[in-house]
Amino acid sequence: QVHLVQSGSEVKRPGAPLRLSCKASATTFSNYHIHWLRQAPGQGLEWMGVINPRGGGTSFPQKFQDRVTITRDTSTNTVYMDLSGLRSEDTALYYCARDGGFLEWWGYFDYWGQGSLVTVSS
Amino acid sequence: DIVMTQSPDSLVVSLGERATINCKSSQSLLYSSNNKNYLAWYQQKPGQPPKLLFYWASTRESGVPDRFSGSGSGTDFTLTISSLQAEDVAVYFCHQHYYTPYTFGQGTKLEIK
Repeated sequence: QVHLVQSGSEVKRPGAPLRLSCKASATTFSNYHIHWLRQAPGQGLEWMGVINPRGGGTSFPQKFQDRVTITRDTSTNTVYMDLSGLRSEDTALYYCARDGGFLEWWGYFDYWGQGSLVTVSS
Repeated sequence: DIVMTQSPDSLVVSLGERATINCKSSQSLLYSSNNKNYLAWYQQKPGQPPKLLFYWASTRESGVPDRFSGSGSGTDFTLTISSLQAEDVAVYFCHQHYYTPYTFGQGTKLEIK
């Protein structure tokens, strides 16, 4: 049973905006927080933020507060992550992931999307 | 930010032997109100997203073989594979989910001797 399906790979110019999508199953969308993370080539994992799809509330680390927006479309069970002002260092594999807490935010990730590769290059 | 430090960076173990990966947090991950350690472990194979192995430091995710175990409390945690199988070749990450921003260890690459 697939819970999270992400949009495809993207190639972007520096300074351009990015929008990635993550379509969730109805059960996941209704009952679990959805996070975004990224993994740069040869690097570790980095948490970018979280949304509660039920109410739309979000939270971001300070590093991304000015550049990242996470929204959701309740009609399609889809979560979107917008990243503005792309830079070469934003080149990474981006993941959405489901929080492990049922109707709660626990902060660990029990299901992951397949990943969306984003390349930022002039 | 909480710094998560794993050791070793890479590990080579024979089939059937024990593999041990350590993870140290720069601050305690034990929440006294519920006595839970907010530490998770993931396994990542090439070309795949991470797979959750443990949360609350020692609660095994459904479907994870019991040769895997998680232990530790406070700032020091361990992932142990009691008898290494070929399919266990992967990179393993620890992750603190107590403080935001959530942070991860740098990863430990596990290979077969």
